[in-house]
Amino acid sequence: NAGVTQTPKFQVLKTGQSMTLQCAQDMNHNSMYWYRQDPGMGLRLIYYSASEGTTDKGEVPNGYNVSRLNKREFSLRLESAAPSQTSVYFCASSEAYRGDGYTFGSGTRLTVV
Amino acid sequence: DAKTTQPPSMDCAEGRAANLPCNHSTISGNEYVYWYRQIHSQGPQYIIHGLKNNETNEMASLIITEDRKSSTLILPHATLRDTAVYYCIVRVGGAQKLVFGQGTRLTINP
Repeated sequence: NAGVTQTPKFQVLKTGQSMTLQCAQDMNHNSMYWYRQDPGMGLRLIYYSASEGTTDKGEVPNGYNVSRLNKREFSLRLESAAPSQTSVYFCASSEAYRGDGYTFGSGTRLTVV
Repeated sequence: DAKTTQPPSMDCAEGRAANLPCNHSTISGNEYVYWYRQIHSQGPQYIIHGLKNNETNEMASLIITEDRKSSTLILPHATLRDTAVYYCIVRVGGAQKLVFGQGTRLTINP
């Protein structure tokens, strides 16, 4: 009953470095999402994937790329990290077109120095 | 999606009912009201949702006014573990994504 698993849990990057955040879900959900949360703020949607093979931009997509590798996995890539990308990143999954039943991972805390 | 307005913070005594208000005066007929909460730095957790009628589940009750311009989430017997940020979200049924606002930081006091 893992739900949504995110790796890594913590990461420190230097400005300009790249990295990929991994997310996997075991609930057979069609849709997956990446959010970021800055201190004291609500969650902002970066990218989402309504179904396997599709991805769409959210509110704050600049500086990120995503890959829906298969139904289970949705990765988020920072090609050239910037201090403004210091944040907590949450992955979530849901049945398509349902607002209830979003399941979130425990988050990745990323610091860019 | 309609915009929501929530108080930034609230306090409630342990064992009492916590009533969290949400204004959504621009809600349209096909938009649902969803409530999620985020405990400390964990990922948000779904609580309840509704369209027109009041709803109740094992976690909470949702009261939606007749004109649907506002709603109240009720935690009937708040415990210390209910301390969290509560998000009220309005979304069109069938729409793909949830958009989170700032939420209400609820503190349950012993």
